[in-house]
Amino acid sequence: RKEVEQDPGPFNVPEGATVAFNCTYSNSASQSFFWYRQDCRKEPKLLMSVYSSGNEDGRFTAQLNRASQYISLLIRDSKLSDSATYLCVVNPGNQFYFGTGTSLTVIP
Amino acid sequence: DVKVTQSSRYLVKRTGEKVFLECVQDMDHENMFWYRQDPGLGLRLIYFSYDVKMKEKGDIPEGYSVSREKKERFSLILESASTNQTSMYLCASSLPTGVAVGNEQFFGPGTRLTVL
Repeated sequence: RKEVEQDPGPFNVPEGATVAFNCTYSNSASQSFFWYRQDCRKEPKLLMSVYSSGNEDGRFTAQLNRASQYISLLIRDSKLSDSATYLCVVNPGNQFYFGTGTSLTVIP
Repeated sequence: DVKVTQSSRYLVKRTGEKVFLECVQDMDHENMFWYRQDPGLGLRLIYFSYDVKMKEKGDIPEGYSVSREKKERFSLILESASTNQTSMYLCASSLPTGVAVGNEQFFGPGTRLTVL
């Protein structure tokens, strides 16, 4: 079983739409969780950390459900500039485990 | 500003050549990582290091070795490059995992290696 499972998409949504990504993880001892954004042919960059109580940063909301072992990312009012691949990352110890990424394209 | 740099953005080598990929971070991070990223497979961990002269195998260490002689520098070595090692190589660094907040990884820009 993979450490992190993520729907690869692609998600094609119109501007202004709300879109949600989910990610499940297998190691219940995981302590840290993140969402990264990766643009084409660029390195991944931290979008936001995911805290137990859930957290919001502008149009982005991240949530953690420890009981079901999944994390989610909600993007509201999608912009063209949100088009990218979104990676969920789980850190149970010394290593970081990455999902394969979900591709998002926001259409004018 | 946080910075991770990699020695080359693009590299073309021939089968059998020895290849060195260098990574330097200026954040005084203890942990450093080497990944490769291939379409459909995501990021796969090759090796990581949590201290100078320490190294741990990741998920796909075969055909690779690493060196960490100084805290800020982590090198990936392909002893004898093969065509199946054509990939994007990403270096990252982070604080120790015992840190409750702020232990995210910071990535270098990547090296796109082609082995002919």
